[in-house]
Amino acid sequence: GNSVTQMEGPVTLSEEAFLTINCTYTATGYPSLFWYVQYPGEGLQLLLKATKADDKGSNKGFEATYRKETTSFHLEKGSVQVSDSAVYFCALSDPVSGGSYIPTFGRGTSLIVHP
Amino acid sequence: DADVTQTPRNRITKTGKRIMLECSQTKGHDRMYWYRQDPGLGLRLIYYSFDVKDINKGEISDGYSVSRQAQAKFSLSLESAIPNQTALYFCATSDYTSGKETQYFGPGTRLLVL
Repeated sequence: GNSVTQMEGPVTLSEEAFLTINCTYTATGYPSLFWYVQYPGEGLQLLLKATKADDKGSNKGFEATYRKETTSFHLEKGSVQVSDSAVYFCALSDPVSGGSYIPTFGRGTSLIVHP
Repeated sequence: DADVTQTPRNRITKTGKRIMLECSQTKGHDRMYWYRQDPGLGLRLIYYSFDVKDINKGEISDGYSVSRQAQAKFSLSLESAIPNQTALYFCATSDYTSGKETQYFGPGTRLLVL
């Protein structure tokens, strides 16, 4: 079956530090890959996505590259801000029988950024 | 106004009570989902619906039921609540045609079962 594995948190950084959150996946087909962010007290929202191998998704200074050879989709940001403090979820969407896509989420990684 | 709304936002109930969580969306999406979020466990899919007449169980459907009253409404029921159903519940929608299942989430319902 499909699965997503993320590094455990919390990840604690100082403002302007470099961020990497690792994500690896297992899928039976050719999935699309996503990063969602959940700010305190809110629902998840899409941060970025990539739909095929070697695609790079980017948004708000965050980037992730779809690496099929290593089955990875690591999230990076060059300089984090306090406002980036949130929980980050890696996810995949893989076709099942009949062409429907069912999402699979990782367990989430909490990021805490200190001033 | 929010595209995906959930009511109530918070609920406290007692063991054995029946409760319903409601979700409405104005995005016009066909697909709707119910998840629960528990600390350290991420999101787990309870039920999903690809249209009004198509309801499917997710990985943790035991103890839950759903109703898709209209394209825009998808309700989750706990027939007889138990304490280990205490969690944060999210409704989500998606539009397959817009980009391979990007999900749009509501703000969540925090449920406490005593």
